[in-house]
Amino acid sequence: GAVVSQHPSWVICKSGTSVKIECRSLDFQATTMFWYRQFPKQSLMLMATSNEGSKATYEQGVEKDKFLINHASLTLSTLTVTSAHPEDSSFYICSAQDSLYGYTFGSGTRLTVV
Amino acid sequence: GENVEQHPSTLSVQEGDSAVIKCTYSDSASNYFPWYKQELGKRPQLIIDIRSNVGEKKDQRIAVTLNKTAKHFSLHITETQPEDSAVYFCAAQTGANNLFFGTGTRLTVIP
Repeated sequence: GAVVSQHPSWVICKSGTSVKIECRSLDFQATTMFWYRQFPKQSLMLMATSNEGSKATYEQGVEKDKFLINHASLTLSTLTVTSAHPEDSSFYICSAQDSLYGYTFGSGTRLTVV
Repeated sequence: GENVEQHPSTLSVQEGDSAVIKCTYSDSASNYFPWYKQELGKRPQLIIDIRSNVGEKKDQRIAVTLNKTAKHFSLHITETQPEDSAVYFCAAQTGANNLFFGTGTRLTVIP
């Protein structure tokens, strides 16, 4: 089946620094990738939809300048959390949509901002 | 965007009993409804899905029903086992191909 690789799996950073999370589709081309955030014991909240070669579409309430999304190729999308603060600490998961397998999720990245 | 509500938030059943989780959605254009099982700290795993042109789908002990008119869909797990214990999320895909999740149900199967 389809595989989506997400790195890093966990990261600890200092407040004010930026963190980049990568999401790769390993055996298929993903025109569209999605980024979710999940707080402890809560649901996955869609942050943005990333389309290859174009600007991401952000959900209401998600700061575009804070969560930079780049989808430069059909197999790679990145999420950069800029000027991270402790309230940005969360579990971030990407998902890629494939016509054959539907939605395939990455393994997630646990971000802790100290 | 789409609003997906899920009930109950927690559910405890005795091993062997059935478990039912219900979801409602708001966008009548939503056309795809997957269910995911998520274990702590891990990615959601698709367990079953249904499309809007189908009313019911079954896969061994798991079944999903969809009522488009009422805009609700349900997950049914029969003969529950301890390994079924996890958090389950329903989701709805809108016409724009965005997937919105329900709030989750923590299922505990008591041996």
